[in-house]
Amino acid sequence: DAGVTQSPTHLIKTRGQQVTLRCSPKSGHDTVSWYQQALGQGPQFIFQYYEEEERQRGNFPDRFSGHQFPNYSSELNVNALLLGDSALYLCASSVGLAADTQYFGPGTRLTVL
Amino acid sequence: KNEVEQSPQNLTAQEGEFITINCSYSVGISALHWLQQHPGGGIVSLFMLSSGKKKHGRLIATINIQEKHSSLHITASHPRDSAVYICAVSGWETSGSRLTFGEGTQLTVNP
Repeated sequence: DAGVTQSPTHLIKTRGQQVTLRCSPKSGHDTVSWYQQALGQGPQFIFQYYEEEERQRGNFPDRFSGHQFPNYSSELNVNALLLGDSALYLCASSVGLAADTQYFGPGTRLTVL
Repeated sequence: KNEVEQSPQNLTAQEGEFITINCSYSVGISALHWLQQHPGGGIVSLFMLSSGKKKHGRLIATINIQEKHSSLHITASHPRDSAVYICAVSGWETSGSRLTFGEGTQLTVNP
């Protein structure tokens, strides 16, 4: 049983570009949450998807958008990249919307030059 | 003030020592989580608890709901325990399963 997978592992972009990160949840999980972790800090919640809808959103600008597909996989899109978007992007999957153990993917390391 | 605060930020121990990491939170929660993050980024959930105490191997997590405080203990620490330990809360107000994280505690266990 595969756990949470994310792609790509690493990514280098330049300012102003756009990026798409992908996440496949653990088998049986229908909820995907995305977090941004800057170096030396705890992860910050970006948004959460359930039943193909964005259910909650953290304090991130509209440049950050996402999508969930019928198979529960999810994408995170970031437009007009800034240097400050450089971070580890983590995807976590769980079941439903109530508080539950979340399973994390290995993350995507995004570097913006 | 962060909703979740951890102490200490950094901790160095000798192999075999008993280790305690503390977490305080300032909001109502339905669950508190302890997670472990190794270099390279992968995060593993260690415990989710809403009351009392849980034990898994050499790890023990406790929570005091009235005092809004939790502790993670590691008994007989080992160099392989070296990692960042992160406290997170969920279920406060309408936040459901979304996690609000502390800054993490960097633990180094020397042989």
